[in-house]
Amino acid sequence: DAGVIQSPRHEVTEMGQEVTLRCKPISGHNSLFWYRQTMMRGLELLIYFNNNVPIDDSGMPEDRFSAKMPNASFSTLKIQPSEPRDSAVYFCASSGQGANTGELFFGEGSRLTVL
Amino acid sequence: AQSVTQLGSHVSVSEGALVLLRCNYSSSVPPYLFWYVQYPNQGLQLLLKYTSAATLVKGINGFEAEFKKSETSFHLTKPSAHMSDAAEYFCAVSTGFQKLVFGTGTRLLVSP
Repeated sequence: DAGVIQSPRHEVTEMGQEVTLRCKPISGHNSLFWYRQTMMRGLELLIYFNNNVPIDDSGMPEDRFSAKMPNASFSTLKIQPSEPRDSAVYFCASSGQGANTGELFFGEGSRLTVL
Repeated sequence: AQSVTQLGSHVSVSEGALVLLRCNYSSSVPPYLFWYVQYPNQGLQLLLKYTSAATLVKGINGFEAEFKKSETSFHLTKPSAHMSDAAEYFCAVSTGFQKLVFGTGTRLLVSP
């Protein structure tokens, strides 16, 4: 079975440009999570969805960040405009049914560099 | 709020030696606890989890962890390290609804 698929794997852009990261969760999973990983702050939960509905976006750093999940098989994380401090690895993860199973399946990440 | 603390950002062992990675948790309710592993340039994958059943939990690749309520600990161990165990290890606690809070990670270095 295919795992969580993220694209692009690497993105280099200039400050002020719009960045869109994409995620396809594992088929049948009903929860989707976006995490950001940096050396300074470690792994931070940005937002998570359940059944395509955003449940908690308290981790989204500011209004420049937005996330959508238009259907069960696709989600995007958008940064507009991007800034150098947004440079990080962004992970998407999905999880199946079962309260508090805690078993997240991670994609390989999208490494973003903002110059 | 629930949280985990991982003691030691780096741990170095020799191949064949015992691996011990430390994790302490803080939780006002019985926690669900997890260890994840991250190999270079990859996402995290679940090693093992504690969900209030047996206190000694066995995971993949020969790792195990013991839940000790009296010590609020969930340390990860492996009797004999392999070179392939070199990776970063994250302890995590569930705050409900599968929302995990991760520790800062411990990088395991294995020397021949």
